Amino acid sequence: NAGVTQTPKFQVLKTGQSMTLQCAQDMNHNSMYWYRQDPGMGLRLIYYSASEGTTDKGEVPNGYNVSRLNKREFSLRLESAAPSQTSVYFCASSGQVPGSSGANVLTFGAGSRLTVL
Amino acid sequence: EDQVTQSPEALRLQEGESSSLNCSYTVSGLRGLFWYRQDPGKGPEFLFTLYSAGEEKEKERLKATLTKKESFLHITAPKPEDSATYLCAVQNSGGSNYKLTFGKGTLLTVNP
Repeated sequence: NAGVTQTPKFQVLKTGQSMTLQCAQDMNHNSMYWYRQDPGMGLRLIYYSASEGTTDKGEVPNGYNVSRLNKREFSLRLESAAPSQTSVYFCASSGQVPGSSGANVLTFGAGSRLTVL
Repeated sequence: EDQVTQSPEALRLQEGESSSLNCSYTVSGLRGLFWYRQDPGKGPEFLFTLYSAGEEKEKERLKATLTKKESFLHITAPKPEDSATYLCAVQNSGGSNYKLTFGKGTLLTVNP
């Protein structure tokens, strides 16, 4: 009954370092997402994967890369971290809900708090 | 461009004092409007989806309503455990089927 699992929960990086945030879901969902949440800005979509094998840019993709490793896993990579990437990152997944006309009900992970010094 | 504006930014209520949160939205075509609850240090948790004007949904002390321009989350006789940030989001029926636009949220505090 895990839902969406993100690792790590906390990370501190120095400017220029790289890291990968991991995300896995056990709900057999087709679509997965990475959001960032900043004070006063709300949730903003970084990248999403509509289905295994596809990825697309969201609102704020610059400085990030993603990999949809398989149906369960979707990772977010920061190649050269910058202080502007200090944020809380949320992974989410969604599947088709019968009768929803394609509306995407997202299930979120608990978040990964990243600080870039 | 889709837009979602939530008001107020913060709301403080006494236990039992009913009130409403507002979500105003602009979207060319609405596939769905969503309400989420977010507790401190946790990810958002799904509450409701509304699809068309006039629709209402209820869950315990919460009732969500939808018009063509806004949605309200009514909280009846709130309890301290209802304290959280409430997020509203819209999904456009055109273009990308996957992008949700979120508002900045309303921080609700219910005092005992």
